[in-house]
Amino acid sequence: GAGVSQSPSNKVTEKGKDVELRCDPISGHTALYWYRQSLGQGLEFLIYFQGNSAPDKSGLPSDRFSAERTGGSVSTLTIQRTQQEDSAVYLCASSRLAGGFTDTQYFGPGTRLTVL
Amino acid sequence: ELKVEQNPLFLSMQEGKNYTIYCNYSTTSDRLYWYRQDPGKSLESLFVLLSNGAVKQEGRLMASLDTKARLSTLHITAAVHDLSATYFCAVAQKLVFGQGTRLTINP
Repeated sequence: GAGVSQSPSNKVTEKGKDVELRCDPISGHTALYWYRQSLGQGLEFLIYFQGNSAPDKSGLPSDRFSAERTGGSVSTLTIQRTQQEDSAVYLCASSRLAGGFTDTQYFGPGTRLTVL
Repeated sequence: ELKVEQNPLFLSMQEGKNYTIYCNYSTTSDRLYWYRQDPGKSLESLFVLLSNGAVKQEGRLMASLDTKARLSTLHITAAVHDLSATYFCAVAQKLVFGQGTRLTINP
């Protein structure tokens, strides 16, 4: 079946602009996660959605970052007023069940964000 | 704060040799994952370890977990070039990753 998909694959933007990154999880997966990967910070957790529960935003680095998940499926990560330190690869992952024994997270191909 | 440390961070091996990558974590966790990442690619799940003493094997890779020591190992047997990649361990539901081990296997 189809895996996690993300779009765009690459995004170049100017400092101060807003960007939206999209994630389509694996069908039937109730949990969705956003991470980012950068040279300086490695892989970092950003935010987590589980079903209809309020998202866990504990990893978001600033209030310029937000995310939503519509209809329990597609998620959008929004970065407002982008800064150069936001440049990274943003990875989305989904799992069938969060916190259970079948909660292996499957990752999408990522969106490479470059802020000039 | 949960911290995860891998060593070594860089590993250059000859084909046919055996080696082990170590993953230590700082606080109790009920699960540990190993992922592989090829250059420019995303993360591929290798193993999920859910209990003390768990051992899983796939081909030339074997992973084990000692929850009392807060240690996992990824053992490579008779390495082949195709195993060249960066390997990450990760702990907890909101994954906390190690730094990654960049493995290069030379002919």
